[in-house]
Amino acid sequence: DQQVKQNSPSLSVQEGRISILNCDYTNSMFDYFLWYKKYPAEGPTFLISISSIKDKNEDGRFTVFLNKSAKHLSLHIVPSQPGDSAVYFCAATIFQTGANNLFFGTGTRLTVIP
Amino acid sequence: GAVVSQHPSWVICKSGTSVKIECRSLDFQATTMFWYRQFPKQSLMLMATSNEGSKATYEQGVEKDKFLINHASLTLSTLTVTSAHPEDSSFYICSARTGTGIFSLHFGNGTRLTVT
Repeated sequence: DQQVKQNSPSLSVQEGRISILNCDYTNSMFDYFLWYKKYPAEGPTFLISISSIKDKNEDGRFTVFLNKSAKHLSLHIVPSQPGDSAVYFCAATIFQTGANNLFFGTGTRLTVIP
Repeated sequence: GAVVSQHPSWVICKSGTSVKIECRSLDFQATTMFWYRQFPKQSLMLMATSNEGSKATYEQGVEKDKFLINHASLTLSTLTVTSAHPEDSSFYICSARTGTGIFSLHFGNGTRLTVT
């Protein structure tokens, strides 16, 4: 049962434009969401997160938006750079219970075209 | 920064043999490590939580006799896939916490296992 879904396996964006990666979840108990970035042959690295008490969190070029009623979150990257080309995983957890289990989406491969 | 080292990065083995994958925390002590598995075009799925000095906690549906986890020291956890079969071919990745916060989770580079 896939509790976190990323329905777009790939996305191509021109350098300088905005990249929008989407993520949906089904478990209303999730109260913390994270985005990880993964380069080939490397493990995922933490990028940005958001608590369910917020609807937006911004860190430089990266902004995550959370719509709890729609159980949807998105990652915006602006302006996109070629170095942003990677696979992006959305993850969710129940922070209140220790957050030991991260539920991951299937990932979206972002390609930023120079 | 914190580094989690995983070895080997890829391994090919014959059906019926066993394969050991190591996960090391290089510059910190990890009382808890996590093992994930990712099948092609699927998400990372937590297999088990490895606790130093005690038995691992397995997620539902994961065979503990097939996926043996040993966390004998604060810097090393091992996952042994016993009597491997082609359906065990997958990407296995470990992670470890440097602290108690959710941001303290660091991942290894993963191991690509192919069983022929």
